Amino acid sequence: KNEVEQSPQNLTAQEGEFITINCSYSVGISALHWLQQHPGGGIVSLFMLSSGKKKHGRLIATINIQEKHSSLHITASHPRDSAVYICAVTGNQFYFGTGTSLTVIP
Amino acid sequence: DARVTQTPRHKVTEMGQEVTMRCQPILGHNTVFWYRQTMMQGLELLAYFRNRAPLDDSGMPKDRFSAEMPDATLATLKIQPSEPRDSAVYFCASVLRGSAYNEQFFGPGTRLTVL
Repeated sequence: KNEVEQSPQNLTAQEGEFITINCSYSVGISALHWLQQHPGGGIVSLFMLSSGKKKHGRLIATINIQEKHSSLHITASHPRDSAVYICAVTGNQFYFGTGTSLTVIP
Repeated sequence: DARVTQTPRHKVTEMGQEVTMRCQPILGHNTVFWYRQTMMQGLELLAYFRNRAPLDDSGMPKDRFSAEMPDATLATLKIQPSEPRDSAVYFCASVLRGSAYNEQFFGPGTRLTVL
């Protein structure tokens, strides 16, 4: 049983498309994180959410605590957005999703 | 610019050898995390420290792994003896203001291969 589920596992999009990655969790949490891991392996923390919505450039993250669900949106996608996006939740323990591999084609 | 550094970046060793990985958190950050990433398991939290004290190391195999913070500028993760199943990328991350819920800054990772 996975405490954090992400969908889709793999996603291919054309440059310029609007992208949504979903994360559902089954445990009580204090915060939810979205991480980005580029092909070279480096990890960057994109957002930390405990409620509502956050926006940074073309990235938007939302969370619905009642539904235990979060989404990461990328507007006007670009090939440099190609990466693995990982959802993680923190509460009594840390749980990680298995990641969504995004490829944006020029 | 401030960043988390990890050494070594790559390590190849033989089964049974001791491995020590080092992490220098961003100056002023006093919460440090150790993660392991494998293809099979993905990312896993091994341990984390706040103000140099271990807060949670439940994700770490106790018989062979140990994590310490000898001082505020250095965190170490040691495996003794190492086994092939320890092969993974080990990431360190640090957090500003000591809150586990704030943005984490990740180091570049140490890629460990145990033959």
